[in-house]
Amino acid sequence: EDQVTQSPEALRLQEGESSSLNCSYTVSGLRGLFWYRQDPGKGPEFLFTLYSAGEEKEKERLKATLTKKESFLHITAPKPEDSATYLCAVQGHTSGTYKYIFGTGTRLKVLA
Amino acid sequence: GAGVSQTPSNKVTEKGKYVELRCDPISGHTALYWYRQSLGQGPEFLIYFQGTGAADDSGLPNDRFFAVRPEGSVSTLKIQRTERGDSAVYLCASSLNGGYEQFFGPGTRLTVL
Repeated sequence: EDQVTQSPEALRLQEGESSSLNCSYTVSGLRGLFWYRQDPGKGPEFLFTLYSAGEEKEKERLKATLTKKESFLHITAPKPEDSATYLCAVQGHTSGTYKYIFGTGTRLKVLA
Repeated sequence: GAGVSQTPSNKVTEKGKYVELRCDPISGHTALYWYRQSLGQGPEFLIYFQGTGAADDSGLPNDRFFAVRPEGSVSTLKIQRTERGDSAVYLCASSLNGGYEQFFGPGTRLTVL
């Protein structure tokens, strides 16, 4: 069964203190791994798609990487506005569907 | 351009009542998805439409839940005989086609009293 585990559940950082969020997954053939940001009371906002091991994507202070078992979201010199819940999802090669399987997310708080 | 929109943003109902939740996808997106998110959890898949047809409804919890997309655009999620356990945020997403990135709406917060 496809499964996604995110760690840590919550993370508090000082402004400028870099860190990484982890997403471990098991899936019957990975079609794609997706990172989203979710602010309170809002829907998830798309950040990145990764398709194969070794792939990396960057956007401002965020960098996502992928191996065959996990993905990392690296946050460099975070700012308070980066505070949000970060969700990871996988899409497998199951015939006839493109559903996502989500993890429970990492709640990030960046203190000024 | 407009994103995914959902109405209503909040819905409060009583146990046993019927509710309808509406989703307007991004124009031109052929794939549409419904998810349900409980507090502190990630979104949980309910149903996936490709065009007008439900390609995968394996996530619907029971036969009280039903969804339609009659013209391949707007979709309605229908819940009969609501229960308190149905309380959650219902999220809709759309993608250009199956397999592409999914873009989410703001959600409908359903509260069953």
